[in-house]
Amino acid sequence: GAGVSQSPSNKVTEKGKDVELRCDPISGHTALYWYRQSLGQGLEFLIYFQGNSAPDKSGLPSDRFSAERTGGSVSTLTIQRTQQEDSAVYLCASSSLDGANEQFFGPGTRLTVL
Amino acid sequence: EDKVVQSPLSLVVHEGDTVTLNCSYEVTNFRSLLWYKQEKKAPTFLFMLTSSGIEKKSGRLSSILDKKELSSILNITATQTGDSAIYLCAVVRRSGTYKYIFGTGTRLKVLA
Repeated sequence: GAGVSQSPSNKVTEKGKDVELRCDPISGHTALYWYRQSLGQGLEFLIYFQGNSAPDKSGLPSDRFSAERTGGSVSTLTIQRTQQEDSAVYLCASSSLDGANEQFFGPGTRLTVL
Repeated sequence: EDKVVQSPLSLVVHEGDTVTLNCSYEVTNFRSLLWYKQEKKAPTFLFMLTSSGIEKKSGRLSSILDKKELSSILNITATQTGDSAIYLCAVVRRSGTYKYIFGTGTRLKVLA
């Protein structure tokens, strides 16, 4: 597609449920990032995929969070046993080449945990 | 610990005013500094700066990097209500892989 897409755009779930958030990066972009943005806050880095290298998971806040990127394209961020503090907008971004260039962001998924 | 600090946190101005937003950083293995505008959800790219002292300009917006002072400024002249947004600064660190470290942003509101 022309840009980064994310689905769903909004997700409301109950505490304790698992959720999956999807990101489709720009075709050909080798770098893919996940960020979390809580209300009124900046972007919190979660995880970074670069080509076939092992992902940089240093930003994942707990072992309830995981992500995978299949075939070097689509990525899924999974949050298990959701908590209310997981409520935030989850943004995905992709970048070309070595990942040091401009990032293109998707529209985000607004997650609300009741 | 790497950090990026933006100031002011928020700003309210009237149309036609000029504003200057600041970004300072303490990041090892600096690669570049980027500015983004975030109106609703997705931040949109404004500038990428890698060299000190070279101004980047796009219409009423301009930005410059000072590597000696470890800072950057974003200027907006003749502000319009459409400039109302959160302006995010990010520094790219090179350490094996590339990591983007974002500031908390400056919330700008331009009144008609």
